[in-house]
Amino acid sequence: GENVEQHPSTLSVQEGDSAVIKCTYSDSASNYFPWYKQELGKGPQLIIDIRSNVGEKKDQRIAVTLNKTAKHFSLHITETQPEDSAVYFCAASMGGGADGLTFGKGTHLIIQP
Amino acid sequence: GAGVSQSPSNKVTEKGKDVELRCDPISGHTALYWYRQSLGQGLEFLIYFQGNSAPDKSGLPSDRFSAERTGGSVSTLTIQRTQQEDSAVYLCASTNQGANEKLFFGSGTQLSVL
Repeated sequence: GENVEQHPSTLSVQEGDSAVIKCTYSDSASNYFPWYKQELGKGPQLIIDIRSNVGEKKDQRIAVTLNKTAKHFSLHITETQPEDSAVYFCAASMGGGADGLTFGKGTHLIIQP
Repeated sequence: GAGVSQSPSNKVTEKGKDVELRCDPISGHTALYWYRQSLGQGLEFLIYFQGNSAPDKSGLPSDRFSAERTGGSVSTLTIQRTQQEDSAVYLCASTNQGANEKLFFGSGTQLSVL
């Protein structure tokens, strides 16, 4: 089955700086890569996703890049703000959707004031 | 409209007891998932319901775990003879499969087995 590795497990950055979270996956058949943000006491919420037919997608301060050859994808957050503090999960799926999603173990992002 | 609702939000039980966790998905969502989130771990898939099809139970860790979805809506996850290693947050998610793969999660049930 699919295996998703996520790094780092904890990331602390100064407010206003950029943050990058990286994930690798094992199955080259995976074609859907979402990112979820989980705030304390809440369920995860989708913030951005990318499919295998594109290499990069951007939404305001958030961007995701995908390298299918190397089987890795990354989340980039620019101009970080205190409300970006949360746990971020990457995931990969072969089904092109939520079916069979395999999640990484999460990154705890801490924005230092 | 209302999101995915889970109850109870917290459950403390004694080892060996049975527990039931409830999930009310978003109205009209045909697909429903249960995940387990242990401390410092990712989201572990447990079971998946899609419409009237037989559920995908491939993620259930043991035969002490079972789930049902009545009338294609509310779902109940049952853990029999609870063990301390069952302590975790149990998350439910729903989606309108075919229209949008985005999963909508509830806030979870924090289960503590003493």
